Amino acid sequence: AAGVIQSPRHLIKEKRETATLKCYPIPRHDTVYWYQQGPGQDPQFLISFYEKMQSDKGSIPDRFSAQQFSDYHSELNMSSLELGDSALYFCASRVGGTDTQYFGPGTRLTVL
Amino acid sequence: RKEVEQDPGPFNVPEGATVAFNCTYSNSASQSFFWYRQDCRKEPKLLMSVYSSGNEDGRFTAQLNRASQYISLLIRDSKLSDSATYLCVVNIPGGFQKLVFGTGTRLLVSP
Repeated sequence: AAGVIQSPRHLIKEKRETATLKCYPIPRHDTVYWYQQGPGQDPQFLISFYEKMQSDKGSIPDRFSAQQFSDYHSELNMSSLELGDSALYFCASRVGGTDTQYFGPGTRLTVL
Repeated sequence: RKEVEQDPGPFNVPEGATVAFNCTYSNSASQSFFWYRQDCRKEPKLLMSVYSSGNEDGRFTAQLNRASQYISLLIRDSKLSDSATYLCVVNIPGGFQKLVFGTGTRLLVSP
């Protein structure tokens, strides 16, 4: 069965650079979620989209923005990167009417 | 205080043992509850949803006590492959099902 796809899988950036992470949800899933997991931490909700509209917002810094496109894929844009942004970034998708989220393999971002 | 609290462990058990994890949540309006499993540096994978009536999937049994806001996971006949971090996860009601994770309980099953 198709799963959530994330790219890139690994990304290394310098401080103050920008990064774009991509997420392709499971086909026919209409809701996408982004989570950040720091070293030794549990995943923290950042932002979600339903039918291409932002549906919920969590602890996402103002330096980050995200959107969902007409093909339902989503991109997380991160600017002015800081050392503390180094983390695993997971995307999850869900189909409306259900409560289960399926996670992608994550993007490991390292900020040097 | 975290919204979802778990004992971080680690729980060190021999193969074949039975082990139980507990979790408490603070938002009494939460409607959906899950146990996810996470291996090192990998994505969380759904182990099972948790229902009020309790549910079982092979060697795994989950229970929910809404009155006490308490969730449990029982693993019977532990296998080496069960070694992982088990995340207790609760949804935040009134919206689009964003999830709140516990810090996870680490399980180490040894031969």
